[in-house]
Formats: sequence, C-alpha cells, structure tokens
Amino acid sequence: IAGITQAPTSQILAAGRRMTLRCTQDMRHNAMYWYRQDLGLGLRLIHYSNTAGTTGKGEVPDGYSVSRANTDDFPLTLASAVPSQTSVYFCASSDTNRDTEAFFGQGTRLTVV
Amino acid sequence: GQQLNQSPQSMFIQEGEDVSMNCTSSSIFNTWLWYKQDPGEGPVLLIALYKAGELTSNGRLTAQFGITRKDSFLNISASIPSDVGIYFCAGQLGGNNRLAFGKGNQVVVIP
Repeated sequence: IAGITQAPTSQILAAGRRMTLRCTQDMRHNAMYWYRQDLGLGLRLIHYSNTAGTTGKGEVPDGYSVSRANTDDFPLTLASAVPSQTSVYFCASSDTNRDTEAFFGQGTRLTVV
Repeated sequence: GQQLNQSPQSMFIQEGEDVSMNCTSSSIFNTWLWYKQDPGEGPVLLIALYKAGELTSNGRLTAQFGITRKDSFLNISASIPSDVGIYFCAGQLGGNNRLAFGKGNQVVVIP
C-alpha cells in the first residue's frame, strides 16, 4: 500500500544522544515535511523540503536538521537530544499539483530522558 | 506564525447528534483543510476547500470556506462512535505550500 513510512515507531533516548528519525514515501511527492505534536500546541512545522535537494526551516527548527538527498527520503536528525524534544513526530508529504493536501505518516513517539 | 483558533477545544456529544466546529484566523487564507486524527495515528485529510464561499461535503461531513477567507467550519451529521478523534483545521496563506494548523478539537461520542 502506497504511503509514508516512519521509523522507529517509538524510542526512548538519553539526553545528549544523537538520533535520526526516518521517513520514506513512495508516492513520488515533491514536498515533504516534519511536524511535532505536543499536547495543547497542535502540530508545529519543524523543517520542510519543497523538492529533492532543497530544505527550509519551519516554525520550530532549533535543535533539528534535515536532508533531502532524493525524492523518497527525508530524515530528521536531533544532534544532541534534550528533554524538551520529547514529542510525537510526524512526517508528511504532498504533491506539487495539490501541494496543500498533505499525507501523514503514523508518527514516531520520542521520549528524551 | 499564522494563528488558527479552533473552538471549542473539546466536545462530548451523544451518538446520532450533529456537531459543528469552527476555525478562525486574523489572516486571509487561500486554502482551508480539515484533518482527523485517530488515537495513535497520523492526521488524515477529510476535506480541502479552495475558494471563498465553497461548501463541500464528504459523506456525513460538510465544510465551508468562509467568505472573508478568515474562517472555516466543519459539520458532522448523525455522529457515530468512530467519529471520535481530534479534528484539525489547517490553512495555507498562498505563495508557498506550508500549512498552518489549529490546535485541534477533541470530539468524544457517547453511545
């Protein structure tokens, strides 16, 4: 079934450790996004990529980095995790022709201790 | 960033009742969307609206793009238990494809 796959589904991480959240889509969508979801704050955009080879900062980019080496993959890296990065992370993608209709992955629940 | 205000934040409704929720902003949007998130899942697109005044239905769901382009509503008719979840509105200002999301409405359907 076509869609977006995120890995891992959940992770407990020690503060200070480096972590990469993986995201792969097989819909050949040009645009991809990373959001974090926190209680009472809704979905906030971390980073985005309009097309392979380009990335941009969203609303809450500090402490995170992304890369877009190809169309399908959009990994999110926490260089040195802190407890405030405990959250549920969602990857999403959208097609150029319907660029606002984002399709979301199942999410990664990350706990930084 | 753009602020989207959803109201009410949570709703408890009896099965079979209709439910309406609203999303407003001080900014003018070119696109409004409504998503639903089931527990433990990612948001799923329900309805997309592209023109001011547009009224669109998807089964028991109806959504409208406000004339002022600063608001949208979603109505669920004859609610059923599987309507439980968090409903998010999202808007796009235009000129880019980055959406702003509201904080969500939690809907609980009482059998």
